[in-house]
Amino acid sequence: DVKVTQSSRYLVKRTGEKVFLECVQDMDHENMFWYRQDPGLGLRLIYFSYDVKMKEKGDIPEGYSVSREKKERFSLILESASTNQTSMYLCASSSRGRPVQYFGAGTRLSVL
Amino acid sequence: DQQVKQNSPSLSVQEGRISILNCDYTNSMFDYFLWYKKYPAEGPTFLISISSIKDKNEDGRFTVFLNKSAKHLSLHIVPSQPGDSAVYFCAAVIIQGAQKLVFGQGTRLTINP
Repeated sequence: DVKVTQSSRYLVKRTGEKVFLECVQDMDHENMFWYRQDPGLGLRLIYFSYDVKMKEKGDIPEGYSVSREKKERFSLILESASTNQTSMYLCASSSRGRPVQYFGAGTRLSVL
Repeated sequence: DQQVKQNSPSLSVQEGRISILNCDYTNSMFDYFLWYKKYPAEGPTFLISISSIKDKNEDGRFTVFLNKSAKHLSLHIVPSQPGDSAVYFCAAVIIQGAQKLVFGQGTRLTINP
């Protein structure tokens, strides 16, 4: 089974803090994605990556950055957390050429 | 610009009956469609998919129908079971493109005993 592991299930941070969300997949997938889920808005794509050291902006990249130094790991960085970044963050991975994405359990981030 | 829409935020169905979840899209370039199921505090799990060259795909109790001319797809669950209570997301993608999934807003399905 594909396993996508997100390092934290719940996080509470203060406004202005730098926040790192980590994601690791064990299926040698080329593609990795970061989404946020908010009520009534569905899943919105923040950033994605097709390969190591490559990244592409999604639909809502403002206030976020990413890092992919190894194929299995994709990190989401909030440079200076703000209250409007309180959300559920979901990481996903997929194999090149296959559209099905596999998701981690999510990190619920609260910024106070 | 919401390219994929699920117009029903919630749906309540009696156990044993059919659940029908609907999804509309606007981009005619989408050529593959997926349904995901999400329980609270868990990530979405893939349920079933359909290519635009088909109009129906069935997997056990789950069937997805695609009407390309209407840009509409639906997920049928028969018979509905209490464990089906979850949020369901439809998603669409252009296979030869960036393979970014575009998700709908989700529909919360509640199965009543």
